[in-house]
Amino acid sequence: AQRVTQPEKLLSVFKGAPVELKCNYSYSGSPELFWYVQYSRQRLQLLLRHISRESIKGFTADLNKGETSFHLKKPFAQEEDSAMYYCALSRAVGNNRLAFGKGNQVVVIP
Amino acid sequence: DGGITQSPKYLFRKEGQNVTLSCEQNLNHDAMYWYRQDPGQGLRLIYYSQIVNDFQKGDIAEGYSVSREKKESFPLTVTSAQKNPTAFYLCASSTGQFNSGANVLTFGAGSRLTVL
Repeated sequence: AQRVTQPEKLLSVFKGAPVELKCNYSYSGSPELFWYVQYSRQRLQLLLRHISRESIKGFTADLNKGETSFHLKKPFAQEEDSAMYYCALSRAVGNNRLAFGKGNQVVVIP
Repeated sequence: DGGITQSPKYLFRKEGQNVTLSCEQNLNHDAMYWYRQDPGQGLRLIYYSQIVNDFQKGDIAEGYSVSREKKESFPLTVTSAQKNPTAFYLCASSTGQFNSGANVLTFGAGSRLTVL
């Protein structure tokens, strides 16, 4: 079964500092990877997906199949980035059963 | 205004009682899901349905039941057999299987169930 690991529960960074959220997965096939985000008092929503290869709100994530990782990065954190971030994996594009990691709480200190 | 509506937002239940959480979507999505969100546990899949009149167990289906009689609706019943039902429950939907939008989930606002 596929598994997603997000090692750090809480990450505190100063505004303007780089932020990196780690995500490692265990699955031997060709998975589809996602980052979902939940801002305070808002619904959980998609942030980005690896097949889109785009930057959303300054965040990027690269799928590294060799290291089975999909780390989320942003060079300069903003206060509005404070949120809960979940990494998620599907076994294949179009397979609609996602496995979520346990999440990272990010706090950006002004 | 398209989206997913979950009700009730807060629910209290006595031990031994069944309770049903409502989830309705007007996005014309084929697939619907129920997740349970616990602090430090992330999201765990309870049940999902890819099409009307069909559903599959997720990772933690014991003590729960669902139905999918209409495309728009996917209610979840938390039965008295669920040993630890106090949690935050999230409903989601997506366009369905075998397309690029299958895993772009739209989530509801959630229902918080507390068992007294």
